[in-house]
Amino acid sequence: EVQLVQSGGGLVQPGGSLRLTCVGSGFTFSNYWMSWVRRAPGKGLEWVGNIKQDGSDKNYVDSMEGRFTISRDNAKNSLYLHMNSLRAEDTAVYYCTRMSRSSAGNYWGQGTLVTVSS
Amino acid sequence: DIVMTQSPLSLPVTLGQPASISCNSSQTLIYSDGSTFLNWFQQRPGQSPRRLIYMVSIRDSGVPDRFSGSGSGTEFTLEISRVEAEDVGVYYCMQGTHWPWTFGQGTKVEIK
Repeated sequence: EVQLVQSGGGLVQPGGSLRLTCVGSGFTFSNYWMSWVRRAPGKGLEWVGNIKQDGSDKNYVDSMEGRFTISRDNAKNSLYLHMNSLRAEDTAVYYCTRMSRSSAGNYWGQGTLVTVSS
Repeated sequence: DIVMTQSPLSLPVTLGQPASISCNSSQTLIYSDGSTFLNWFQQRPGQSPRRLIYMVSIRDSGVPDRFSGSGSGTEFTLEISRVEAEDVGVYYCMQGTHWPWTFGQGTKVEIK
């Protein structure tokens, strides 16, 4: 069974940093692009970015590029989201997801809440 | 960025009746290889999102056949043939043709 289990998150002050982790199991982690998506309170879903199987290619939404970094450790089946210079508007539930654009199978972590507040 | 516009944003439905959600994109979603990467997601209250449809009309694994997707170019539709209580939630269209991938605003489906 494919599973994505997230950890990290919590309360952080504006300007602070945080790292989210997503551990995959039940599939060959190194074979898949992985992504982060977020949902702010009262708002819709928003892509954060994604990372290629070997980590050699990454894409970010403009508003997060330069502040957020996606990385992975295939030996640990782990995906990371490093968030710096956090702002109140980054407050959201963050999800990791494995999704192929052109084949079946879409899996999501349970989500982790990040709250940016003083 | 591609803007995805859904309508309606709120959809009260009667159990057993059909429901339909529209999604329009600000640019064509036809990729260079001829594919169209238009997806539909469901997010039930308190749950993670779940993809229902990919590439306009292909149901994901385990998705009931009462869900169907159609459309082309810039206009797309998700239809539920007979709404069940478990279908309550927010539905999003999402384009994966142009980076950044973008979602529609979401349509909240509730039972009358």
